[in-house]
Amino acid sequence: SQQGEEDPQALSIQEGENATMNCSYKTSINNLQWYRQNSGRGLVHLILIRSNEREKHSGRLRVTLDTSKKSSSLLITASRAADTASYFCATDGGTGGFKTIFGAGTRLFVKA
Amino acid sequence: DVKVTQSSRYLVKRTGEKVFLECVQDMDHENMFWYRQDPGLGLRLIYFSYDVKMKEKGDIPEGYSVSREKKERFSLILESASTNQTSMYLCASSEQHSGGRMNTEAFFGQGTRLTVV
Repeated sequence: SQQGEEDPQALSIQEGENATMNCSYKTSINNLQWYRQNSGRGLVHLILIRSNEREKHSGRLRVTLDTSKKSSSLLITASRAADTASYFCATDGGTGGFKTIFGAGTRLFVKA
Repeated sequence: DVKVTQSSRYLVKRTGEKVFLECVQDMDHENMFWYRQDPGLGLRLIYFSYDVKMKEKGDIPEGYSVSREKKERFSLILESASTNQTSMYLCASSEQHSGGRMNTEAFFGQGTRLTVV
């Protein structure tokens, strides 16, 4: 079962624009993470936000978390062609354990 | 630099073969994971291990087994490969949170693209 569901499935924008991706999940969580995957590669961790945090920043990335709505968003500001990748959210699936469960991802394409 | 290394980048095996996918991490992490990734389905957890010789099933363990004899190595075994196991396999590791059972940042290998013919 997939805990996180990303929306949209695919997004195409122009360089310089902002990109927003959303993630919804089903159960209570300890934290939520966002990862990035370049084509055919392993995933790279971007940011982790704890359940008691509402917003977190890292460079051009801004992540929000709304536990009442069981949703999170990832905003990439001033996007670049190099941001073209798939983005995944991940949670512990409500297991309260060590499992990390991923959604299907959002494919972002940034046109130069 | 932290590293998770998967033994093969590409692998082609025949139906019915026993297949071993190896993963080694150099970060002294307690947790290790095996996922498979298929188009449109994201990453699905096959098995994970939170200690040497300990393992737990993920969401799709059927047709797979795992072995963790040493902390740094986590092996995925396809007992009798089938064509529906053609996929990208990703290994990951993470440290255990000092505050208890909580997942933390996972570090991934580059993946093994397995084709079963």
